[in-house]
Amino acid sequence: DAKTTQPNSMESNEEEPVHLPCNHSTISGTDYIHWYRQLPSQGPEYVIHGLTSNVNNRMASLAIAEDRKSSTLILHRATLRDAAVYYCILRDLRNNDMRFGAGTRLTVKP
Amino acid sequence: DTEVTQTPKHLVMGMTNKKSLKCEQHMGHRAMYWYKQKAKKPPELMFVYSYEKLSINESVPSRFSPECPNSSLLNLHLHALQPEDSALYLCASSLGLAGGRNTGELFFGEGSRLTVL
Repeated sequence: DAKTTQPNSMESNEEEPVHLPCNHSTISGTDYIHWYRQLPSQGPEYVIHGLTSNVNNRMASLAIAEDRKSSTLILHRATLRDAAVYYCILRDLRNNDMRFGAGTRLTVKP
Repeated sequence: DTEVTQTPKHLVMGMTNKKSLKCEQHMGHRAMYWYKQKAKKPPELMFVYSYEKLSINESVPSRFSPECPNSSLLNLHLHALQPEDSALYLCASSLGLAGGRNTGELFFGEGSRLTVL
C-alpha cells in the first residue's frame, strides 16, 4: 500500500480558511486521493476525492500537485463543527482495500 | 437511503461469552468492511467482503469471525475475547464495482462500542 504523511495536528481560527497538507510520494497511477474526516464519537465520513485535477464540492476543495506527490484539503471557512481528525488516503479502485493513516487532528478556535 | 446501520451501539461482554455485531445497508453496495478503532487511533482494517466473499483478512485472531449472509448484511461473531479487544468496531460499505460509477466512497456506520470484562 502506498502511504501518506500528514501533520499530527493543526489549529485554525473560526471563519478562516484551513489548508490541510498530505504527502504521498509513492502514489501510483491508479491511486485516487481520498479525504475523510471523523468527528468526535462518530464514524468517518467522506469529504472529497480526486485523481489529477483540482476538485470542489460543497464541503471542501482538493488541490493536487502536478506530480501528484502531494495534495491539500482546503476548508474555505472553518467552523467549530469542522473540528475533527482528517485522513488522507490513497485508494486503488481496482480493489476494495482501504486503510487509514494517522490523520491530522484539526482544532478550530472561536 | 444512504445509511449504514450498526447494532448494538454498546456491548459489554465477559471473556467467555459469545456475541455478535451486526451491520446492514440497503444502498446496493457489494463491498463491506469491518474496522477496529482504539481511542485516539485511526481505524484499523480487519476484514473486507466483496460480492459476499471474504477478500481481505488482516491476520485477525480467530476469536473474531466475520460472516456476510447476503449483500446487505455483515456480521462479526465474537467468542473468547480479551480485554484488549475492547474498542469501537466500525462497519462500512462501498459500491465495490469497477467502472465509471465507482467513486470508491465508503459509507460508515456509527460503530459498536465493545467492552470486554
